[in-house]
Amino acid sequence: SYVLTQPPSVSVAPGQTARITCGGNNIGIKSVHWYQQEPGQAPVLVVYDDTHRPSGIPERFSGSNSGNTATLTISRVEAGDEADYYCQVWDDHVVFGGGTKVTVL
Amino acid sequence: QVQLQESGPGLVKPSETLSLVCSVSGGSLSTFYWNWVRQPPGKGLEWIGSVFHSDTTNYNPSLKSRLAISADTSKTQIYLKLRSVTAADTAVYFCSRGFTARSLDLWGQGTLLTVSS
Repeated sequence: SYVLTQPPSVSVAPGQTARITCGGNNIGIKSVHWYQQEPGQAPVLVVYDDTHRPSGIPERFSGSNSGNTATLTISRVEAGDEADYYCQVWDDHVVFGGGTKVTVL
Repeated sequence: QVQLQESGPGLVKPSETLSLVCSVSGGSLSTFYWNWVRQPPGKGLEWIGSVFHSDTTNYNPSLKSRLAISADTSKTQIYLKLRSVTAADTAVYFCSRGFTARSLDLWGQGTLLTVSS
């Protein structure tokens, strides 16, 4: 089965850029989606199909995907961006990464 | 505006069958995949399975032998049944709508299901 690998945690200072990676075998040929989940809340789709943002998601959230790594980039990080982030692909089934906790220092 | 709402018993005994309902308001079930996702306390997201057009299902291989997902388009509800539950099935269960490239664009608030005697 297909495996997605994320770092358990990323720390970033306010105003800086956070980069969250999602590793998978030849992930560059797949569509990668990213979710933000705040404590006690349902996940929210922030990027789909590698680079697209749903309506209402700030432009500070962007995605890229190439080779064996997809990346979610959060620019000008705010305190409200502190959350867990999950990547996801389709490989005959929905597959989630293990999640990355973003801490705003 | 489409909204999803999960409902269930809250507590199930070991070896029994877990039954959950996802009620969809503000839209129809047609043309979308509808998914169940769960999250054990303090852990990550796990996809359970999906249903499309009431009769096409796709299940997580690790749960397939115990699982049944169905939908009633007239009631705009999606159903989850998981047999022979154990403590490992304790989780918040979410329903969600499949979107472009099988992303999940809409989610219910989730319902906590505890397996305990």
